[in-house]
Amino acid sequence: DQQVKQNSPSLSVQEGRISILNCDYTNSMFDYFLWYKKYPAEGPTFLISISSIKDKNEDGRFTVFLNKSAKHLSLHIVPSQPGDSAVYFCAAGGGGGSEKLVFGKGTKLTVNP
Amino acid sequence: DGGITQSPKYLFRKEGQNVTLSCEQNLNHDAMYWYRQDPGQGLRLIYYSQIVNDFQKGDIAEGYSVSREKKESFPLTVTSAQKNPTAFYLCASSLLAGFTDTQYFGPGTRLTVL
Repeated sequence: DQQVKQNSPSLSVQEGRISILNCDYTNSMFDYFLWYKKYPAEGPTFLISISSIKDKNEDGRFTVFLNKSAKHLSLHIVPSQPGDSAVYFCAAGGGGGSEKLVFGKGTKLTVNP
Repeated sequence: DGGITQSPKYLFRKEGQNVTLSCEQNLNHDAMYWYRQDPGQGLRLIYYSQIVNDFQKGDIAEGYSVSREKKESFPLTVTSAQKNPTAFYLCASSLLAGFTDTQYFGPGTRLTVL
């Protein structure tokens, strides 16, 4: 049973436009959410996180939105740059009874010059 | 420079041999984790340790073993009992124990069993 789902395996956008990566989760006990960026053959790099008490967190070009009622979070990258091309993983954890970080399968973002 | 190091980056072993993957961190983090990534898959938790001399099984611990004798080191042994050991292995650490703290990852070790 996949508790964290990234339904789009890939996404392609033009440089300068907005990239929106989506993530859905099923466990309502999750209270901490993270986005990681990963290049091939490298470890994931932490990008941004959000706790369940907030619905938005911003860091430079990256903004994460959390919709608890829909059990949905999204990562917005504005403006997108070619260097943003990577696989993006969302992860969820914390909360009563949830003792591990659960990762989605990732979305491969390609930003075209 | 603080960080997490994993060595080697690429590792080849014959079927039936045990192999140990190294993970060291100088971030003074309490917790350390081992994940496995397979193509097209998310990261799956193998083992984690929230304090020295203690560790817990993750989702896919069968065929693996770990030790945590020092705060900065969390080696993973892939034993011959692991049915499909070829994968990309990632070590991570977090400042605090528990899963509500951000985990930071090492560069990974690609293990290929021939």
